Amino acid sequence: EDKVVQSPLSLVVHEGDTVTLNCSYEVTNFRSLLWYKQEKKAPTFLFMLTSSGIEKKSGRLSSILDKKELFSILNITATQTGDSAVYLCAVGWGTDKLIFGTGTRLQVFP
Amino acid sequence: DSGVTQTPKHLITATGQRVTLRCSPRSGDLSVYWYQQSLDQGLQFLIQYYNGEERAKGNILERFSAQQFPDLHSELNLSSLELGDSALYFCASSPSGLAGGSRSYNEQFFGPGTRLTVL
Repeated sequence: EDKVVQSPLSLVVHEGDTVTLNCSYEVTNFRSLLWYKQEKKAPTFLFMLTSSGIEKKSGRLSSILDKKELFSILNITATQTGDSAVYLCAVGWGTDKLIFGTGTRLQVFP
Repeated sequence: DSGVTQTPKHLITATGQRVTLRCSPRSGDLSVYWYQQSLDQGLQFLIQYYNGEERAKGNILERFSAQQFPDLHSELNLSSLELGDSALYFCASSPSGLAGGSRSYNEQFFGPGTRLTVL
């Protein structure tokens, strides 16, 4: 059965800390891995990764995919309270389908 | 703002009732997806429509149904509601839907969601 597992489930840090979120997967017909940030409502798109070993960066956020070991990490450096959210990992398979993990809840305190 | 709209924002109803959730995809997107998000579960894929036709089914109950209209908006109908149906229902859209796909495989844009509370 296809599955996407995220860890940790929850993370509490102070502003300025660096965090690493993990996502491992077992999905047949893998096409891509996506990271989303969900605050109060709709998930918002962060990154899409399709190739192993190529880091994607956006400001303080970066992500990398390892297709051999079947995992991805999302790094957030110098965290801010605005980074508090649930971070969702999703694996794309087939033409358009996504399987989501249950998410990592990040809380950043001042 | 993703460009995907959903109405209503909140819905409170009693068990046994029926409700309709509405979604308008981003301009030009042909695929619409419906997801359910409960407190204790992640985003669960329910169903996908592409250009008016059902394309894929996920964990959708028989009491639930959906359709996509010629103007590409979609409706999710939930009937014989139970307490356990209380959840956030998200709609997402993407441009692609055909085998062989577009440049951006699998990227989906989410609407703000409809919170359904069944009392």
